[in-house]
Amino acid sequence: EAGVTQSPTHLIKTRGQQATLRCSPISGHTSVYWYQQALGLGLQFLLWYDEGEERNRGNFPPRFSGRQFPNYSSELNVNALELEDSALYLCASSRVSNQPQHFGDGTRLSIL
Amino acid sequence: AQSVAQPEDQVNVAEGNPLTVKCTYSVSGNPYLFWYVQYPNRGLQFLLKYITGDNLVKGSYGFEAEFNKSQTSFHLKKPSALVSDSALYFCAVRVLTGTASKLTFGTGTRLQVTL
Repeated sequence: EAGVTQSPTHLIKTRGQQATLRCSPISGHTSVYWYQQALGLGLQFLLWYDEGEERNRGNFPPRFSGRQFPNYSSELNVNALELEDSALYLCASSRVSNQPQHFGDGTRLSIL
Repeated sequence: AQSVAQPEDQVNVAEGNPLTVKCTYSVSGNPYLFWYVQYPNRGLQFLLKYITGDNLVKGSYGFEAEFNKSQTSFHLKKPSALVSDSALYFCAVRVLTGTASKLTFGTGTRLQVTL
């Protein structure tokens, strides 16, 4: 069984640009979660999608958005990038919401 | 609001000795508790979970955790540490409220196992 896959592995952008991060969940998993792991800030919950709908959102500004496609894959979009957006962005998936989340290896976003 | 505390930034232990990584939680409602491990430049790997039932939960790689409701703790343990166990460990709690589900992580504890 293939795990959660994220692309790209690394992404370098400049301030003000827009970034798109992609995630493919484990086959059969309908829930997708996004987390930000910034240096010194730990893991912060960003977004939860299930069955194509946004179910929950963390304390992030609206320029962080995303969507889930009919095949359950997901995109995270970050607009108007700021230096403090530099972080490892982790995607996770689960079969149902009370089951363990399985994580991808992340996309490292660097803002210059 | 739910929260998780991992009071130790780093735990040092000699190979072959038992290890404990501490975690306490605060929730309103029944908690689902998890431990994850993160190796450098990798995502998080699931180790074990507590949903209900026996307070001692066994997980991957010889790890186990003990749920203590009165002390609101979920400490991770292993009887005999290996150098390869050196990594960053995260405790997490989830509470399902209606259709909302949020996994809250602790700040992580770096485990260093030395020969």
